[in-house]
Amino acid sequence: GQQLNQSPQSMFIQEGEDVSMNCTSSSIFNTWLWYKQDPGEGPVLLIALYKAGELTSNGRLTAQFGITRKDSFLNISASIPSDVGIYFCAGQGNTGTASKLTFGTGTRLQVTL
Amino acid sequence: SQTIHQWPATLVQPVGSPLSLECTVEGTSNPNLYWYRQAAGRGLQLLFYSVGIGQISSEVPQNLSASRPQDRQFILSSKKLLLSDSGFYLCAWSGLAEQYFGPGTRLTVT
Repeated sequence: GQQLNQSPQSMFIQEGEDVSMNCTSSSIFNTWLWYKQDPGEGPVLLIALYKAGELTSNGRLTAQFGITRKDSFLNISASIPSDVGIYFCAGQGNTGTASKLTFGTGTRLQVTL
Repeated sequence: SQTIHQWPATLVQPVGSPLSLECTVEGTSNPNLYWYRQAAGRGLQLLFYSVGIGQISSEVPQNLSASRPQDRQFILSSKKLLLSDSGFYLCAWSGLAEQYFGPGTRLTVT
């Protein structure tokens, strides 16, 4: 099935650094979601975006819904070791009853002390 | 609050054996339900979704089937497992746009 292009694929950063990752699509989405997955666990929803241009924060996390509706960005400020994991973006293209999502390929984040 | 359960947490099955994975949701009514598979180090592949009891839509042709016998119960099955069925299986529910995932089942077919 279709997948969103997510970059970077992986990144090593030092504790305290800021992190940026993004997701792009050839299709327009009405909703953008960002998830974090720890090893061996299910993804956990971090932030949900519903309007083009929307900027939303959740603690040290900030995400934006791109104005073209074809991209989204996630920033993590002052990273800490527990930020390690895989971050997935997901987009929803229509408001049909199934609420199906298209997922990005994931960004693997590793934080060194 | 809503919670989603999956069991078993891990499973090792021989090729050709049957499979039954169960997912249940608490704290919500008439949710949309989903089964995903995740290969090691890869993204999530939607296998099935359901908008109501007995209503199942398949996303990809495969060796698996799904059923929804009750409003908050979703079951993933196979009559004969293949090696390629190994992976991490995730169940999710949604109300509107957001989907919320269960803890997953790690299936190894030997």
